[in-house]
Amino acid sequence: DAGVIQSPRHEVTEMGQEVTLRCKPISGHNSLFWYRQTMMRGLELLIYFNNNVPIDDSGMPEDRFSAKMPNASFSTLKIQPSEPRDSAVYFCASSLTERGLAVDNEQFFGPGTRLTVL
Amino acid sequence: GDSVTQMEGPVTLSEEAFLTINCTYTATGYPSLFWYVQYPGEGLQLLLKATKADDKGSNKGFEATYRKETTSFHLEKGSVQVSDSAVYFCALSSGGYQKVTFGTGTKLQVIP
Repeated sequence: DAGVIQSPRHEVTEMGQEVTLRCKPISGHNSLFWYRQTMMRGLELLIYFNNNVPIDDSGMPEDRFSAKMPNASFSTLKIQPSEPRDSAVYFCASSLTERGLAVDNEQFFGPGTRLTVL
Repeated sequence: GDSVTQMEGPVTLSEEAFLTINCTYTATGYPSLFWYVQYPGEGLQLLLKATKADDKGSNKGFEATYRKETTSFHLEKGSVQVSDSAVYFCALSSGGYQKVTFGTGTKLQVIP
């Protein structure tokens, strides 16, 4: 299996621009998570989906952030407009759950997207 | 709510030294406990896990025991190598949907 795939690996943009991060989970996994990692705040859960449905988006920092999962093999995290404080590494992770419970208690992380907003 | 507290880093050790990274947790019910490792430039990957009290997780020479009485899950390794240099995250999961709460991470640097 190719593992969780994220694109782009690096993104540099200017303040005010729209940024879209992409994630392809492991085939067969039905839960997907978006995290943000910074030196100051560590690893933060932004949102997670189960069977393509958003379950908890309480970690999304503000309305500038939105996430979608149109099908089981693709998710996007969009920031519009972007700000310098959004600079971070964004990770996507996936796992397998059945009836809401974890099957193997493991999340598989992608390599991350390093976002720099100038 | 759930929380994980782990020791501040960075931790610097000489090769073959003994490693302990402390981790304590607060959670409702009976959480599963994990250690994840993040190598430079990579995503997190599961190192070991324990799903019930007194379980010992182990992998690649690392061990951690689920201590319910002290709400702890300390990571240990008897002899570290330079290749173990990474950031280590303690984590727990106590709800459905595999929602995981991570600690702040402890950076380990092993010098030859």
